[in-house]
Amino acid sequence: YELTQPPSVSVSPGQTARITCSGEALPKQYAYWYQQKPGQAPVLVIYKDSERPSGIPERFSGSSSGTTVTLTISGVQAVDEADYYCQSADSTSTYWVFGGGTRLTVL
Amino acid sequence: QMQIQQWGTGLLKPSETLSLTCTVYGESFSDYDWSWIRQPPGKGLEWIAEINRGGSTTYNPSLTSRVVILEDTSKNQFSLKLSSVTAADTAVYFCASARKDCSGGPCHSTGFEYWGQGTLVTVSS
Repeated sequence: YELTQPPSVSVSPGQTARITCSGEALPKQYAYWYQQKPGQAPVLVIYKDSERPSGIPERFSGSSSGTTVTLTISGVQAVDEADYYCQSADSTSTYWVFGGGTRLTVL
Repeated sequence: QMQIQQWGTGLLKPSETLSLTCTVYGESFSDYDWSWIRQPPGKGLEWIAEINRGGSTTYNPSLTSRVVILEDTSKNQFSLKLSSVTAADTAVYFCASARKDCSGGPCHSTGFEYWGQGTLVTVSS
């Protein structure tokens, strides 16, 4: 089972970044999103498709539609430049899978 | 606030067994599911294995023949063993925790909320 993300997304500061993740099981499995900066462990930014953990800025939001989930970062800041990974389960909830990751570049 | 400290052997020869351990501080060990995740240099994340609150284990289908995840609840520790390593197993290995949200129906993970610092494991002859 695979989750597919675009390799890269570029936006200017203040604009909105949208990172997609596609997978056949996403209509029935929740998705999770992580931010990872160089040399650091990933940080959970969205869980259960659209829930935001405490401490994560409101500019991070998540949505789901059919086989695609989307991480939206509104009013992008330079500090948001990082790799972003989606995560979900296979159709039988047997194992976890990560997407290949998307590098967000803030121009 | 949970803290996770991980350690293990950083340099292995091909065919040896990788062994890593994480110790959990600050929160109840039995309230969480525990996973191992790895990241080859310059590449993406790969989930390896999970042991849940009930002690049941699940493994990445591509690694299941070589991997074992164990827990020692008396020490608030869980560990990973990966046998017959090759250069393809060279990666930063992370341990991570996830809670289950069971409010309002079926239980669902709340995601990998806490992570260890990561351990670089290099396999080289």
